Amino acid sequence: GDSVTQMEGPVTLSEEAFLTINCTYTATGYPSLFWYVQYPGEGLQLLLKATKADDKGSNKGFEATYRKETTSFHLEKGSVQVSDSAVYFCALRGDSSYKLIFGSGTRLLVRP
Amino acid sequence: EAGVTQFPSHSVIEKGQTVTLRCDPISGHDNLYWYRRVMGKEIKFLLHFVKESKQDESGMPNNRFLAERTGGTYSTLKVQPAELEDSGVYFCASSQDRPTEAFFGQGTRLTVV
Repeated sequence: GDSVTQMEGPVTLSEEAFLTINCTYTATGYPSLFWYVQYPGEGLQLLLKATKADDKGSNKGFEATYRKETTSFHLEKGSVQVSDSAVYFCALRGDSSYKLIFGSGTRLLVRP
Repeated sequence: EAGVTQFPSHSVIEKGQTVTLRCDPISGHDNLYWYRRVMGKEIKFLLHFVKESKQDESGMPNNRFLAERTGGTYSTLKVQPAELEDSGVYFCASSQDRPTEAFFGQGTRLTVV
């Protein structure tokens, strides 16, 4: 079945460091790919998405490119801030499905 | 516009007791979903309503879990009787007719002791 694998955390970075959180997926057809974020004490929020191969999703300085050849959707940010500290979830939705399939989440801690 | 609202935010119950979680979706969203994250693992799909009908309940773990959505508005998820392994964060989400973005609530943290 469809699945998502993302790097285990926690990831600890200093402010202004470069961030990469790896995400790979297994799916049939052409899934849509998502990154969700959960800030401390809050619910899940959609951070960015891509619906077809080579699409780049971006938001709040974060980017991820849908790479079908490597079945990946890695999250990147050039310069992280303390306020980016959160848990990040990679997810996919099959092209004929309504449900989301999530990875296990990666906790990011950014230190001043 | 109000977002997805879940009640309660936290619940601590003893093993064997019953707990009911509630979710109020965004007004006009026909699709409502329940998900669960157990012990820091991945968030797993439980079930999907379209209006008041269960479209997909393939993720429900066992018959101790009962979800309802009377009238196609709010939904409840009842766990009876609760077991220790049911502890986790239960998320509700809703979306419009087409499978567009799903909006999530803040979750209910359930602790079974």
